[in-house]
Amino acid sequence: QSVLTQPPSVSAAPGQKVTISCSGSNSNIGNNYVSWYQQLPGTAPKLLIYDNNKRPSGIPDRFSGSKSGTSATLGITGLQTGDEADYYCGTWDSSLSAVVFGGGTKLTVL
Amino acid sequence: QVQLQESGPGLVKPSETLSLTCALSGYSISSACYWGWIRQPPGKGLEWIGSIFHSGSTYYNPSLKSRVTISIDTSKNQFSLKLTSVTAADTAVYYCASPLGIDWYFDLWGRGTLVTVSS
Repeated sequence: QSVLTQPPSVSAAPGQKVTISCSGSNSNIGNNYVSWYQQLPGTAPKLLIYDNNKRPSGIPDRFSGSKSGTSATLGITGLQTGDEADYYCGTWDSSLSAVVFGGGTKLTVL
Repeated sequence: QVQLQESGPGLVKPSETLSLTCALSGYSISSACYWGWIRQPPGKGLEWIGSIFHSGSTYYNPSLKSRVTISIDTSKNQFSLKLTSVTAADTAVYYCASPLGIDWYFDLWGRGTLVTVSS
């Protein structure tokens, strides 16, 4: 049971937009920055978003992040088949004094 | 180019100690950064194990704290993980990772190494 809650799977057609939610509490998302990771099959996770909505160099602006209260959302526009991957949210939990991750969301591009 | 590379045994017997090393290249491990370990059991999600600051201060996942030690070796530009009393539940791909700063996200990742706990 993960501290952060993500939907197990989402799907959309190529070219469309999808959002992935990440729900937490005041001790984690509510008072700390959220990051998002993309994990392609058989590879290490890759940072997509940090500090709620910032993109590292090289990450296209098709990927966006937002936060409201104790929930965060990853948005992906102009879906491509290469976006099929598992996506994880993460943050610091002040009560646990630990980094926590969501359980992951598998994105299928139909 | 900054890189992290995990190394260590791929097979550990139950009740023994899992030991992994993460070698850093292209960057000084003495820089003001957190250096961390994250694991992923087969087919499951990510679990943070712990992180160490360049000064040696450590932060551990409460669920693993009693069994985990993370240390840093500035002379070899590497940091290490020890996990004692392992069971089959500790079978996972182990990643070393870092934000290359003082943050709780991970921008730089190693490729990961699979450790299987089995007799």
